[in-house]
Formats: sequence, C-alpha cells, structure tokens
Amino acid sequence: SQQGEEDPQALSIQEGENATMNCSYKTSINNLQWYRQNSGRGLVHLILIRSNEREKHSGRLRVTLDTSKKSSSLLITASRAADTASYFCAIPSGYSTLTFGKGTMLLVSP
Amino acid sequence: DAGVIQSPRHEVTEMGQEVTLRCKPISGHNSLFWYRQTMMRGLELLIYFNNNVPIDDSGMPEDRFSAKMPNASFSTLKIQPSEPRDSAVYFCASSPRDRGDYGYTFGSGTRLTVV
Repeated sequence: SQQGEEDPQALSIQEGENATMNCSYKTSINNLQWYRQNSGRGLVHLILIRSNEREKHSGRLRVTLDTSKKSSSLLITASRAADTASYFCAIPSGYSTLTFGKGTMLLVSP
Repeated sequence: DAGVIQSPRHEVTEMGQEVTLRCKPISGHNSLFWYRQTMMRGLELLIYFNNNVPIDDSGMPEDRFSAKMPNASFSTLKIQPSEPRDSAVYFCASSPRDRGDYGYTFGSGTRLTVV
C-alpha cells in the first residue's frame, strides 16, 4: 500500500510565523487527510480534502491538494506554541483503511 | 462522548508474558482499527474490523498477535508470548464509516514495554 511522505521531517519556527509542511504520494487517491499528534497522545483528525477539491480551510489551517503533482500542503498561519506537535498526512489504502506517513515534527518557540 | 478509550495507558511486562490491550470505540462507529507506532517504522496498521468482523489482518506481525471484537463496544489485542521487539505504542481508532473517506478518532494509546 502506498504511503504519503511528509517534508520536511522537522520544522522550527517562532510564534506568529507561518508553518508549511508538504505531503507527496504516488498513486491516485480520492481523499487525503491530515492529523496532529501531541507528544504522548493519540492522533487528532484535522482536515480531509477530497480529490475534487483544491483548497480547504479550517480556522488557522489551510490545506491544498494538487492531484496532478500528487502532493498536498498544510499551512498553519500565525503559529502558537500550542501548535508544537507532529503532523501526519494519511492516504486511503485498500477499501477502508488509512496509511500514515512518518510525519513532520513542528516546534514553535515563544 | 468520551472518545475512544484504551487501557491500560502503560504496560511493562517481562519477555514471554501474555499482554492484553483493550479498546472501547465510540458508540455508533462501525469500523475499528489497531495501529502500532515506533520511531523506526512509524504508524503501522495491524488489523481492521468492520461491524465486529476482521476484514484485514495482513498487518499482524505473526501468530503471537491476535485480536478480537466480541461486540460493537469492545476489542482486544493480545500478544502471547511477548518479546522486547513488541515494545511500541499501540493505538486503537474508530470511524463511523466503512470507507477510507472519513476521519478516524484515535484513543490515547497503550505504551507497551517488554523487558
């Protein structure tokens, strides 16, 4: 099953800056999902973008999907220390399951 | 709703012992997933249940691992006998749909250490 690959592996920024992380994949998909994981906790679903959508917003999050380039990006605007976490993209595999990438570790310093 | 509930949160056991991890999915969710997370391999899907029936267990590492879902509100993952390489965080997740087009709700995980 295919797996999304996040880039960069780690990102360190200051509070108030924007954070952008990317996900690339190899085969056709009908949707792509982003999740956040705080240290020592489970993953939290952030946003799902379908293959017929190019951009989606949720609060300070903006997700784009370019199916021709097989890539997606997650932008967090005006970042806060509380945004410090690992962020994962997830790709449907098989009929009903998701395959997760290795994640981007985001550190937001006050 | 209390979310997906996993127990125990932490488990330390000796090699060779049996370990049982427990999961209560969100009421009304008909899909349940067990994942394992390690630094080296990331998140790996172990098994997927739909309406209490195992649909895909191709990720179960070997016969030492077994999973059951006797009813819609309870699932177990058992390792017997446990080995040090089984040390990882094990997550249970549930979803209200049986297609991969809806978000998962994850539990807080069970951190397993086998010494």
